[in-house]
Amino acid sequence: AQSVSQHNHHVILSEAASLELGCNYSYGGTVNLFWYVQYPGQHLQLLLKYFSGDPLVKGIKGFEAEFIKSKFSFNLRKPSVQWSDTAEYFCAVSNSGTYKYIFGTGTRLKVLA
Amino acid sequence: DGGITQSPKYLFRKEGQNVTLSCEQNLNHDAMYWYRQDPGQGLRLIYYSQIVNDFQKGDIAEGYSVSREKKESFPLTVTSAQKNPTAFYLCASSTGALTGELFFGEGSRLTVL
Repeated sequence: AQSVSQHNHHVILSEAASLELGCNYSYGGTVNLFWYVQYPGQHLQLLLKYFSGDPLVKGIKGFEAEFIKSKFSFNLRKPSVQWSDTAEYFCAVSNSGTYKYIFGTGTRLKVLA
Repeated sequence: DGGITQSPKYLFRKEGQNVTLSCEQNLNHDAMYWYRQDPGQGLRLIYYSQIVNDFQKGDIAEGYSVSREKKESFPLTVTSAQKNPTAFYLCASSTGALTGELFFGEGSRLTVL
């Protein structure tokens, strides 16, 4: 069965620190990969997605993610975080054969001003 | 404005009662989804529907039921058979294209007293 693992459950960083959140999935076929963010009190919104082409994907607010097929990974990065990046981040996978989207357990990021 | 409307935002029910959560979208999306969000467990898929009059069980469908009689509506019933119904419920939709992302509503918080 498909699954998504996010190894960092809670991350605390100071402003201007670099961020990398891990995401690994288990599925052997063609996948589409997503990162969603949930700011406090707001609904989930898309940060970025990958479905083909350049494995380095750029999203909103300076975030990027790299798809490494050999490692089944899609890690999220940001060179310099801001206090406003405090949120919960979710990695998700869908495969090209079904319409199911599977989410990881999420990473709570707290950025200290 | 196009979007997904979930109601009610907060709901309390007594044990043994069924309750129905509403989800309406005006995005003209074919596919709709219900997820349950619990702290530390991420989003877990309850049911999804790719097209009107058709739906599939997700990973945690037991104790829940859905219908998809209209394209824009996908109500979720939490039955008395659901052993631990207190949770945050999220409805989402997508275009149905296999590379499309999910668009989320603001969620409904159900508390069983």
